[in-house]
Amino acid sequence: EAQVTQNPRYLITVTGKKLTVTCSQNMNHEYMSWYRQDPGLGLRQIYYSMNVEVTDKGDVPEGYKVSRKEKRNFPLILESPSPNQTSLYFCASSLDRDNEKLFFGSGTQLSVL
Amino acid sequence: QQQVKQSPQSLIVQKGGISIINCAYENTAFDYFPWYQQFPGKGPALLIAIRPDVSEKKEGRFTISFNKSAKQFSLHIMDSQPGDSATYFCAASDDIIQGAQKLVFGQGTRLTINP
Repeated sequence: EAQVTQNPRYLITVTGKKLTVTCSQNMNHEYMSWYRQDPGLGLRQIYYSMNVEVTDKGDVPEGYKVSRKEKRNFPLILESPSPNQTSLYFCASSLDRDNEKLFFGSGTQLSVL
Repeated sequence: QQQVKQSPQSLIVQKGGISIINCAYENTAFDYFPWYQQFPGKGPALLIAIRPDVSEKKEGRFTISFNKSAKQFSLHIMDSQPGDSATYFCAASDDIIQGAQKLVFGQGTRLTINP
């Protein structure tokens, strides 16, 4: 089944403790992105990647890192999480630069205490 | 600064009624306008999309109306059903070459269809 898989689904952590949210897609998509969803703000892009080793900042990149060492994986790293990063996170992918349809994962609910 | 403004934030419609969600944008370079549907516990999924060369696009009970001069577009759900209860996001993109990775989303509308 074609899908975008995120792990974990739920994560509770404390301020300053490094964490990684994994994202993997099995559709051989070139493009991958991370979004955060907050009430009243909709979905905001954190980082995106056009291909392996090619990443760029989205609208709200502060406090986050990403890497794209393999085409299928695009982990989101919070090196020193803070409470304002408590949010619902989504990974998404699309086939290539000519295809606008985004496929989203099921989300990761992160709480930073 | 929200580049795409969506309203209302929440909407309750009776079964069989018409649901209408509106979005407005400022950037005249936007040239791709999709709507995404999100059920609880799931990620958003593409529902329907339009480009500014047409004023309306219909897929089943879902219609996008687009007004280029007013910089507004809306989603109409005809004969709304309880299964349509979800959060809906409008979005816009100004870079077709980079496609979906340059999407800007609205704030979302939580739609509830009462049986």
